Amino acid sequence: GNSVTQMEGPVTLSEEAFLTINCTYTATGYPSLFWYVQYPGEGLQLLLKATKADDKGSNKGFEATYRKETTSFHLEKGSVQVSDSAVYFCALRYSGNTPLVFGKGTRLSVIA
Amino acid sequence: NAGVTQTPKFQVLKTGQSMTLQCAQDMNHNSMYWYRQDPGMGLRLIYYSASEGTTDKGEVPNGYNVSRLNKREFSLRLESAAPSQTSVYFCASSEGGQPNSPLHFGNGTRLTVT
Repeated sequence: GNSVTQMEGPVTLSEEAFLTINCTYTATGYPSLFWYVQYPGEGLQLLLKATKADDKGSNKGFEATYRKETTSFHLEKGSVQVSDSAVYFCALRYSGNTPLVFGKGTRLSVIA
Repeated sequence: NAGVTQTPKFQVLKTGQSMTLQCAQDMNHNSMYWYRQDPGMGLRLIYYSASEGTTDKGEVPNGYNVSRLNKREFSLRLESAAPSQTSVYFCASSEGGQPNSPLHFGNGTRLTVT
């Protein structure tokens, strides 16, 4: 079946450090890929998405590129801030009427 | 624009009690979802409704029932609560129709069953 695997956390970084959170997926065909972010006490918010191979999604300084050859969608940011501390979820979806399949989430803590 | 609204925000139940979690969206979305979030488990789908009038089981449906009351509202019912149902429950909605249409989430209901 379809699945998403994320690197285990927690990840702790100093402010202005470079961030990578790995995400790989197992699926047949070409799903749409998403990154969601969850701040403490809140629901999930869409961070970025990509719908086909080599697409790059970007938002708020975060980027992720849809790599079909490696079935990956790694999240990156060049310089993290304390306000980026949150849980990040990678997810995939095949069709508009089917649910998202989520990874288990990666907790990021950024210290000043 | 409220988006997805869940009630209540917090609830404590005793084993065997019943309750209904309410969810409403004001974005005219076709599809609605119920997920639960547990430490180390990520989000797991309980039930979803691809469109008004339809509901389908997700990964962990046992112990739950749902009702798609109308296009706006999708409720989740626990008939006889168990400690294993202690969790944070999230409702979400999406336009449907396209695989890249994102989900919009509510802020969750934190449920404790003692």
